[in-house]
Amino acid sequence: AQSVTQPDIHITVSEGASLELRCNYSYGATPYLFWYVQSPGQGLQLLLKYFSGDTLVQGIKGFEAEFKRSQSSFNLRKPSVHWSDAAEYFCAVAPVGGSQGNLIFGKGTKLSVKP
Amino acid sequence: NAGVTQTPKFQVLKTGQSMTLQCAQDMNHNSMYWYRQDPGMGLRLIYYSASEGTTDKGEVPNGYNVSRLNKREFSLRLESAAPSQTSVYFCATRTGLRGNTIYFGEGSWLTVV
Repeated sequence: AQSVTQPDIHITVSEGASLELRCNYSYGATPYLFWYVQSPGQGLQLLLKYFSGDTLVQGIKGFEAEFKRSQSSFNLRKPSVHWSDAAEYFCAVAPVGGSQGNLIFGKGTKLSVKP
Repeated sequence: NAGVTQTPKFQVLKTGQSMTLQCAQDMNHNSMYWYRQDPGMGLRLIYYSASEGTTDKGEVPNGYNVSRLNKREFSLRLESAAPSQTSVYFCATRTGLRGNTIYFGEGSWLTVV
């Protein structure tokens, strides 16, 4: 069955420290991959996406993610976290060529930032 | 996400009452979606509409109905609300472009007591 796993429910990092959020997927073929961020009381905002080509993708707000086919992973990274990055982060996948474009979401990782 | 507008933002219902969540988009996207978000569950698809005039069930459709009124609007109806439907509901639209990027509204918080 298709699934997305975010192993960390909650992560706390200090402001200025580096960040890596993990995402693993189970899929029949390489899907499209996404990271979304949700601030409290808000909708989901697209951070970045991977379709094909260069496995390191750059997103908004200084985030990047690396696709590793051999590990079925798409981990999100940021070199230096800011207090405003505190939010919940969702990894998602969509089937390539899927007619309905349905996203399958992970259950999210909540990020807290210590001053 | 100014392009996807949901109303109401907050609603409290009594068990058995009915209500409709409205969603409108000005992004000229063909596909529209309703998701629900529950703590620790991520987002789950309730219904979607690939184009005007078509609707299909998602992962958790029971207890809901939808209407794709026109290209802009996609409503979600709870005919007889139950406490299990207490959730945050998100409307979303999808571009027709490669990659299936989905854009979300800001959510509707529904409590059923």
